[in-house]
Amino acid sequence: DGGITQSPKYLFRKEGQNVTLSCEQNLNHDAMYWYRQDPGQGLRLIYYSQIVNDFQKGDIAEGYSVSREKKESFPLTVTSAQKNPTAFYLCASNEKWDRVNYGYTFGSGTRLTVV
Amino acid sequence: AQKITQTQPGMFVQEKEAVTLDCTYDTSDPSYGLFWYKQPSSGEMIFLIYQGSYDQQNATEGRYSLNFQKARKSANLVISASQLGDSAMYFCAMREDQEAGTALIFGKGTTLSVSS
Repeated sequence: DGGITQSPKYLFRKEGQNVTLSCEQNLNHDAMYWYRQDPGQGLRLIYYSQIVNDFQKGDIAEGYSVSREKKESFPLTVTSAQKNPTAFYLCASNEKWDRVNYGYTFGSGTRLTVV
Repeated sequence: AQKITQTQPGMFVQEKEAVTLDCTYDTSDPSYGLFWYKQPSSGEMIFLIYQGSYDQQNATEGRYSLNFQKARKSANLVISASQLGDSAMYFCAMREDQEAGTALIFGKGTTLSVSS
């Protein structure tokens, strides 16, 4: 079945470490997105990519980095510059990035905790 | 200013009752799409229903319907005959045509609790 796979499901990071969250899709979707979810905050956009080798910053990109070397993959690195990384991270994809009537398919999320 | 506002942090309803979850939005774009997603405690986001700004009729999907009042810029989700499995967080979201290259904008969500 087609879908989005996020791994790991749970991730623990020590202070000062970089960690990378994986997001893979087999839906052949052009666009991919990373959101961060904090309690009471809803989903906030970190980065998005509409095409391979191109990506744009979202509302809260500071302390994060991404790459899009393959259509299927959009990994997110949480760097040591991100001061409060403990959150739930959701990856999503979209078949038509330029059509308002196309919704997103989401992965099951990664819960990151700083220890 | 927030583009999507969900004013109800939590809602409580008994099984078999109907419930309305409120959503107001702010856009000057004449072409936009409105979405509702359900997030159970497991965390995945489940698409429920879509309403386009030019749609003449309110969207319906099974027990879900969208009460779309364009002039008031509201897109309330109505769940009929609530079930225990409806307990979850619900998010309203919007995409704008002029900003179509950008992402879905989400509200802060409403937690729905269904009791027996």
